[in-house]
Formats: sequence, structure tokens, C-alpha cells
Amino acid sequence: SAVISQKPSRDICQRGTSLTIQCQVDSQVTMMFWYRQQPGQSLTLIATANQGSEATYESGFVIDKFPISRPNLTFSTLTVSNMSPEDSSIYLCSVEGTSRSSTDTQYFGPGTRLTVL
Amino acid sequence: AQTVTQSQPEMSVQEAETVTLSCTYDTSESNYYLFWYKQPPSRQMILVIRQEAYKQQNATENRFSVNFQKAAKSFSLKISDSQLGDTAMYFCAFTIYGQNFVFGPGTRLSVLP
Repeated sequence: SAVISQKPSRDICQRGTSLTIQCQVDSQVTMMFWYRQQPGQSLTLIATANQGSEATYESGFVIDKFPISRPNLTFSTLTVSNMSPEDSSIYLCSVEGTSRSSTDTQYFGPGTRLTVL
Repeated sequence: AQTVTQSQPEMSVQEAETVTLSCTYDTSESNYYLFWYKQPPSRQMILVIRQEAYKQQNATENRFSVNFQKAAKSFSLKISDSQLGDTAMYFCAFTIYGQNFVFGPGTRLSVLP
């Protein structure tokens, strides 16, 4: 499976500011995914990011609030804009497996714990 | 729409004993994939086990095994010889080729010394 890193691992931010989360993979992957996990909850998909095209956002998530970049096949960023306390969550990036036996499996980064005051 | 249900919000088990976590799902598709992920307090989501729906044989990974009942749309996880490090949230997940993952609400497992 791919090795995935995220920066920062955690942050505490003020209301109204923005935070950019980075996701780095040690191998080239076609699709990268961004999830939000609110406290005590399951994972909710924010968007899917393909290299060279606009991210595809799920219902309830918009590009103005969660702009995503995907400049190459190993890197993506998610920005949480104009933050409010309701944005306090763990944000996780994931990628699909690259071997034939794992292309339908997602592997996750360590997550970024965001607290908005 | 596909849904995944985990009916046990919390469970506990004594160290070295066996515990089974339940998962049911709803789909009209015949080919799909099922997963169990573990999320310890460190928050890293770790793949525990993967099952392909067209395979009748239940998947096994060391102390972890599944009971896949396709007709009943049930996919339970059995953890044998439970260890303290198994304490975590466990999420059941479902996907159809080319589509997004659907995660269940999770079961919080505590392994007691």
C-alpha cells in the first residue's frame, strides 16, 4: 500500500481564517480523496481530486469553502476557508491502491485534526 | 443508494477473548467490495480486511476474519485472541467498482485487561 503523509497533523485556528492541508503520497496515483470526520462521527467524503481536472465535490460541499488543488500525481491540498467552529473535524486524505488486487481499496493518511476557536 | 449499518455503537471484550462486530449493508448490485477499517486513538485509518463479493470464501488476516453472508447482506468481523492494541473505532465500508466508498457509523471497541 502507498505511504501517505499529511501536514499539519493538527492545528488550532481562529474563526474567519483559512487553513491549507497538504497530502503527499510516495507513489503516483490517479485519484485522491478528501474526507471530513466530525467528532464522534463516521467519514464523509468532501471531494475527489484527479490530476489535471477540477475536483468533484459531494453534495453539501462547495469549492469556495473547500478549494482543492492537485498539481501532480503525488500531491494534493485541501483548504478550509473562512473557518467557523463547525469546521472543527479531522480531515483525511486517501488514495486508491495501485496494485491489481487493491485498486478498489482506499488507503488513508494520518489525518489532520483541526480545531476552530 | 447504498447504506451501511453497524448496530453496535460500543462493545467491550476481555483481553485474549473473541469478539464479533456486526455490519449489514443494502445494495441491489451483485459485484462489490466490503472492508473493515480500524481507527485507533491516533486517528490513522488502517485497513483490517477486504472481501470481494464474488468470492464465497471468507477473508482472513491473522486474528481477524469475516463472516460474509451475501444473501443476508451481512459482513461481520471476528477478532480472536483480542489484544489491548485492538482498542479502536471499527468502520465497515462498502464500494462498487468506480464509485465512492460508503462508511458505516462505526463501533467503538474497548479491550479490557
